[in-house]
Formats: sequence, structure tokens, C-alpha cells
Amino acid sequence: DVKVTQSSRYLVKRTGEKVFLECVQDMDHENMFWYRQDPGLGLRLIYFSYDVKMKEKGDIPEGYSVSREKKERFSLILESASTNQTSMYLCASSLGLPAKNIQYFGAGTRLSVL
Amino acid sequence: AQTVTQSQPEMSVQEAETVTLSCTYDTSENNYYLFWYKQPPSRQMILVIRQEAYKQQNATENRFSVNFQKAAKSFSLKISDSQLGDTAMYFCAFQGGSEKLVFGKGTKLTVNP
Repeated sequence: DVKVTQSSRYLVKRTGEKVFLECVQDMDHENMFWYRQDPGLGLRLIYFSYDVKMKEKGDIPEGYSVSREKKERFSLILESASTNQTSMYLCASSLGLPAKNIQYFGAGTRLSVL
Repeated sequence: AQTVTQSQPEMSVQEAETVTLSCTYDTSENNYYLFWYKQPPSRQMILVIRQEAYKQQNATENRFSVNFQKAAKSFSLKISDSQLGDTAMYFCAFQGGSEKLVFGKGTKLTVNP
């Protein structure tokens, strides 16, 4: 079974802190994604990566950056956390071929910025 | 840009009954994929069912089936013999010519005993 692991289930941070959310997948998937989930808004794509060191902005990249130094790991960085970044963050990965495009999700990180 | 609309924010159904969740989408692409994902309370999101647009036959997975109407751009999910474990948020999603998914806002389904 594919396993996507997010390093923390819950995080509490202060405004202005630099925050790292980590995600690791164990199935050698090409693509990795970071989403933000808010009630009534569904999932919105922040960034995705289709290869090591490659990234592409999603729909809401402002205030976020990402890093993918190794194929299995994709990090989401909040350079200076703000209260409006309080949310649930979901990581996902996929193999990337047309017939293998199912995304597998991690359990999520619920971030509170105070 | 593609959009996905789920018009039912919340639904409820009695155990063992059948329920249908609606999803419509907008796209100018001809080849694409549609998905239903399920997110149980405090648990991770999993795939329920996937439909390839060029396949006319509706996808089925056990108690879950879809009604895919390509011309109407409609992709509803039918859950038969509902079980308590079906209680979850259900998200409809579209994938066109890129690896990105576009999600609807979700439908919260409650199965009542």
C-alpha cells in the first residue's frame, strides 16, 4: 500500500514564525502536492512538484514556498506565518502517468497560527 | 479554467438506503478524468471511484457507482445500501491535461442508524 506520511498531525505556531510542514511518500511517486483545506472551500492547491527540484505554483501560492530535494520528500514552508494561514494542510502523491494518476493523501496537518 | 460544483453541502441518509451525491463540472477539454474521494472524520482522504471521460460505461466499485453524463458535464455518485462507515466528506474532482486536480467544495454525508 502507498503510504504518505505527514510529520505532524497538529501544530501550533506564533505569528511571524517560519514553519515547515514535511511530507514523505514511500512509493517512488513522481508527483507530490500540497493542498489547503478550509470548511466550505474544499481543497485548494498550493504547490506541486513533478520531479526533484521542480515545482509549479498552484492556485494559492502566496505566502508559501516548497522544497523537494529528494524524490520521496516534499516540504511546505510558511516563511512568516500569519493567522490567515490557520488551516488543514494535506499532502498527496501520484505516480504521474495518465493511467496512474490517482492521488494518495496523507492524514493532514492541522496548523493553528496564534 | 475548470470548475467543479457540488451543490449539496450536506446530506443525510438512513442506513441501508441509497443516496446520490451530485457533481457538475465545466471544461473545454475532451479527454479528462473524474474522481470521487472520501474523507471520513479525522481520517485521511481515499479514492472512492475514478471515471475516464472517453469510457462511456459508468464506473462501479462494489456499492459505489457513478452516473457520468459527458454532454451534460455531470458526474454523480450513487451509494447503495448505505453503511454507518460511509459517513464522511465526499469530494468530486476533475483532472484534465495536467497532473493537477480541481476539487469541488465537498458534500458532508451522514448515515443515520
